[in-house]
Amino acid sequence: QKEVEQNSGPLSVPEGAIASLNCTYSDRGSQSFFWYRQYSGKSPELIMFIYSNGDKEDGRFTAQLNKASQYVSLLIRDSQPSDSATYLCAVITRGSTLGRLYFGRGTQLTVWP
Amino acid sequence: ETGVTQTPRHLVMGMTNKKSLKCEQHLGHNAMYWYKQSAKKPLELMFVYSLEERVENNSVPSRFSPECPNSSHLFLHLHTLQPEDSALYLCASSQDFHSFGEKLFFGSGTQLSVL
Repeated sequence: QKEVEQNSGPLSVPEGAIASLNCTYSDRGSQSFFWYRQYSGKSPELIMFIYSNGDKEDGRFTAQLNKASQYVSLLIRDSQPSDSATYLCAVITRGSTLGRLYFGRGTQLTVWP
Repeated sequence: ETGVTQTPRHLVMGMTNKKSLKCEQHLGHNAMYWYKQSAKKPLELMFVYSLEERVENNSVPSRFSPECPNSSHLFLHLHTLQPEDSALYLCASSQDFHSFGEKLFFGSGTQLSVL
């Protein structure tokens, strides 16, 4: 059973703070890691992806990957109320056949003004 | 219109009804997907089509029947559903199913209620 675990939250931070969202995965063969943002009543939207150990920055977003510890995180700097959404972690595990994408349950983030 | 469009946005049906969900992608992608999203559960992959061929059927009950007439269109035919099938059904597309990245573009979803 390949699992992707996230704290369901809700995570609540004040405007301007750093929001830290964490995700762990069970399969060491996992190779690709994604963060999707889903606003209430809307569909998921890809915001970050990372393949290699270390940090990847895109604007206010930083994805961090540590394959040895099997976790991936998303940092949101200078959080804004518009960042309030559910963040889904997704992981591709590529075994002997085609790769499969597994989603976590998501972490609900609220940024209060 | 760009992206991935789904119709209808909302659907209420009885257990004996037959209905269909429609998805169209305008991105030139080769792979299309149906996902089910239930409250408090991870997104569940239902079906994958790559170049109009079904490549994955993730143990979905036969009351759900997909159809992919071409690489831009995907349907999900529904019949004799159960109340536990009530959920948000999301269509998605990606450039290729075999690509290392598999970045998904989602439609707006159909919120289905089975009475």
